[in-house]
Amino acid sequence: EAGVAQSPRYKIIEKRQSVAFWCNPISGHATLYWYQQILGQGPKLLIQFQNNGVVDDSQLPKDRFSAERLKGVDSTLKIQPAKLEDSAVYLCASSKGTGKETQYFGPGTRLLVL
Amino acid sequence: QKEVEQDPGPLSVPEGAIVSLNCTYSNSAFQYFMWYRQYSRKGPELLMYTYSSGNKEDGRFTAQVDKSSKYISLFIRDSQPSDSATYLCAMSFQGAQKLVFGQGTRLTINP
Repeated sequence: EAGVAQSPRYKIIEKRQSVAFWCNPISGHATLYWYQQILGQGPKLLIQFQNNGVVDDSQLPKDRFSAERLKGVDSTLKIQPAKLEDSAVYLCASSKGTGKETQYFGPGTRLLVL
Repeated sequence: QKEVEQDPGPLSVPEGAIVSLNCTYSNSAFQYFMWYRQYSRKGPELLMYTYSSGNKEDGRFTAQVDKSSKYISLFIRDSQPSDSATYLCAMSFQGAQKLVFGQGTRLTINP
């Protein structure tokens, strides 16, 4: 079974530029999560989707971050405009969505904002 | 005060040692407790999962939860160099899937 796929793996941009990350969850997984992991810290949930609806986006900085999950499968996370403090690893995870099941993480996209 | 506190280390021990990793938390509503392992430049992977208080053992790994003290532990017996990674504790509330993570402890097992 293929795992969670993310691209790109690395991205370097200047502050105030925009950037987008893509995630393909495990086939059949209804729930998709985006986490932000700043160096030396644990992951922090940004947004959770159940199929193509948003369950929790309470920690998403909505003035600059946006995310969508079209057709309940792939998802994109966008930052516009980026700030220096957005430098982090952006992790996508998925789970079956039927209850208290395991979240499977992708390898992450490492973003550096200069 | 952070909801979940974890000593970031780094922690370095010789091969074969018993390793103890710990987290404390402030919100007594947490019901589910997990330990994730994260290798360098990889995503976290679930290692242990415990509901409420008690112990759980899986091979060389033992997870303990003490809800009265708001304290959880992970023990690794007969540690191996392949155990070298960052270990993250995570918790969630009843009825919610959102995970709240500690900051992770970087562990190195020296051959």
